[in-house]
Amino acid sequence: KAGVTQTPRYLIKTRGQQVTLSCSPISGHRSVSWYQQTPGQGLQFLFEYFSETQRNKGNFPGRFSGRQFSNSRSEMNVSTLELGDSALYLCASSPGLANTEAFFGQGTRLTVV
Amino acid sequence: DQQVKQNSPSLSVQEGRISILNCDYTNSMFDYFLWYKKYPAEGPTFLISISSIKDKNEDGRFTVFLNKSAKHLSLHIVPSQPGDSAVYFCAASEAGNYGGATNKLIFGTGTLLAVQP
Repeated sequence: KAGVTQTPRYLIKTRGQQVTLSCSPISGHRSVSWYQQTPGQGLQFLFEYFSETQRNKGNFPGRFSGRQFSNSRSEMNVSTLELGDSALYLCASSPGLANTEAFFGQGTRLTVV
Repeated sequence: DQQVKQNSPSLSVQEGRISILNCDYTNSMFDYFLWYKKYPAEGPTFLISISSIKDKNEDGRFTVFLNKSAKHLSLHIVPSQPGDSAVYFCAASEAGNYGGATNKLIFGTGTLLAVQP
């Protein structure tokens, strides 16, 4: 059974640009959550998608958005990138809305210069 | 406002001894607690969890203790092995509408465990 796949693994963008990250959950999993990991803040919840609908949202500005497709794959988008957006972005997949355990991908390392 | 706190950034333990990682939380609505382990360049891996209706859960070398009145939980690893060296994250979730916790996990900042051979 394939795990959670995130692409790309590494990305360098310039301040002001926008970026799209992709996450393919474990087959059969319908919930995808996104987290931002920075050295000082640990992992912070961005949002969760289930059945193509955003179900939960963290405390991030509107520049951070996401969507989920009918095959449960999810994308997150960050517009007007700032230097502080440099982080490891992690995607987690779960079977449904009730958490048993979330399986994480390896993450996308975004560097904004 | 850090709702889940891991006050020890690092911990060093001798191989074979007990490792105790601590976590405190402030939100009394948290209903479900999890521990994750993370190696560099990898995503977090689930270790063990505990529901708020329990005070202890064991899985092999890993035991999690929950003290709801103190809003404190701890992870015990016995015996510690060099392969346990990683960053350990405590996470918490509120009760959901579907019979379990939600997928919105609130994480602590992590504790780097180093197990010395």
